[in-house]
Amino acid sequence: DTAVSQTPKYLVTQMGNDKSIKCEQNLGHDTMYWYKQDSKKFLKIMFSYNNKELIINETVPNRFSPKSPDKAHLNLHINSLELGDSAVYFCASSRTMDGSSYNEQFFGPGTRLTVL
Amino acid sequence: AQSVTQPDIHITVSEGASLELRCNYSYGATPYLFWYVQSPGQGLQLLLKYFSGDTLVQGIKGFEAEFKRSQSSFNLRKPSVHWSDAAEYFCAVGALNNNDMRFGAGTRLTVKP
Repeated sequence: DTAVSQTPKYLVTQMGNDKSIKCEQNLGHDTMYWYKQDSKKFLKIMFSYNNKELIINETVPNRFSPKSPDKAHLNLHINSLELGDSAVYFCASSRTMDGSSYNEQFFGPGTRLTVL
Repeated sequence: AQSVTQPDIHITVSEGASLELRCNYSYGATPYLFWYVQSPGQGLQLLLKYFSGDTLVQGIKGFEAEFKRSQSSFNLRKPSVHWSDAAEYFCAVGALNNNDMRFGAGTRLTVKP
């Protein structure tokens, strides 16, 4: 009955490789997010998707691409991995903000990516 | 855009002592405020949130926070800390006009026996 799940939990890979992290939510939410937490624990939003539409894209390298096959899934693809990509990546989901109410985000357990 | 400052990077308290973690936000309209806790190697768990109404909000695990608009603050408190409260605590602010939730840098809490 996990609300937001991510796979894998740990990912160790070599520089230059391409990898994907999967995220699934069973909360019926229609907005999903990816956050990056660096080694100093700083959390920064990378993307959010609402009904398959990208609505936030911070200054993230285009090596990172979110892919949403349906509104319950938002996968993160990373091409040509670099050392600086090592971090913990969190997926989150929420109901869509409708202009009159704010909806809290629910977070997955995180994926620790280590690039060697 | 909204922003959050957590002035204390690391706080150490004795078990049984009271705790206050500071959070200041910057946003021109009504903020939506959150405190999350992250235990070592774990994800983020929501402790409490403020959307509107009573400015003193109660959360899980005996935590509470008070929204003070005049001070742009949303400090987290607990009257008696337990060893299991040792974790990283994040304050976050959301805005109604976007989905972008901004996090503070976090405060690491160490609990001494």
